[in-house]
Amino acid sequence: NAGVTQTPKFRVLKTGQSMTLLCAQDMNHEYMYWYRQDPGMGLRLIHYSVGEGTTAKGEVPDGYNVSRLKKQNFLLGLESAAPSQTSVYFCASTSGGWDTQYFGPGTRLTVL
Amino acid sequence: KQEVTQIPAALSVPEGENLVLNCSFTDSAIYNLQWFRQDPGKGLTSLLLIQSSQREQTSGRLNASLDKSSGRSTLYIAASQPGDSATYLCAVPMTTDSWGKLQFGAGTQVVVTP
Repeated sequence: NAGVTQTPKFRVLKTGQSMTLLCAQDMNHEYMYWYRQDPGMGLRLIHYSVGEGTTAKGEVPDGYNVSRLKKQNFLLGLESAAPSQTSVYFCASTSGGWDTQYFGPGTRLTVL
Repeated sequence: KQEVTQIPAALSVPEGENLVLNCSFTDSAIYNLQWFRQDPGKGLTSLLLIQSSQREQTSGRLNASLDKSSGRSTLYIAASQPGDSATYLCAVPMTTDSWGKLQFGAGTQVVVTP
């Protein structure tokens, strides 16, 4: 049981490049989330999904897109990376909105 | 908008002392509160989840209390150890819907010195 895994662990992009971050969970959770963590600001919700085929915007969705084609996977895309998107990205999942959230190890992204 | 504040931002204690970490939130209409631990360069690990109907929750040396009416939660760690050194974050639901969207505090960085 791997829990929540994220790929890649580190990435460096140039401004304007695109990339996709992959989150996978093996706990059969319905709900999945993408957060970003910046120094002194805590974690902020980017997008979330409450089931396969559904997505919704969180607190800071601009510049990101997501897809949930399979229940176990939640993808976060950056179409045209900007330096302001330099951050650590965390994926989380849970079985229900009132339950404990389980986090992945994070992806450290630097945009030059 | 729900706002979560954690004070102090950093704390250093000698081994064996009890730790008291504070979390305050502005909207008391929450259905639960979670405490997480984050080690440097790692993801978050859930420590305790307190439902709104509970006043406290315990796990080993950890005890968390919740006072919804005053918008406060406190995490107590008894007899601290160097292995307790980490950043501790609290989180509450952003809204009253059931989608589990969390609003996090900025965290308290704890150092326990041997």
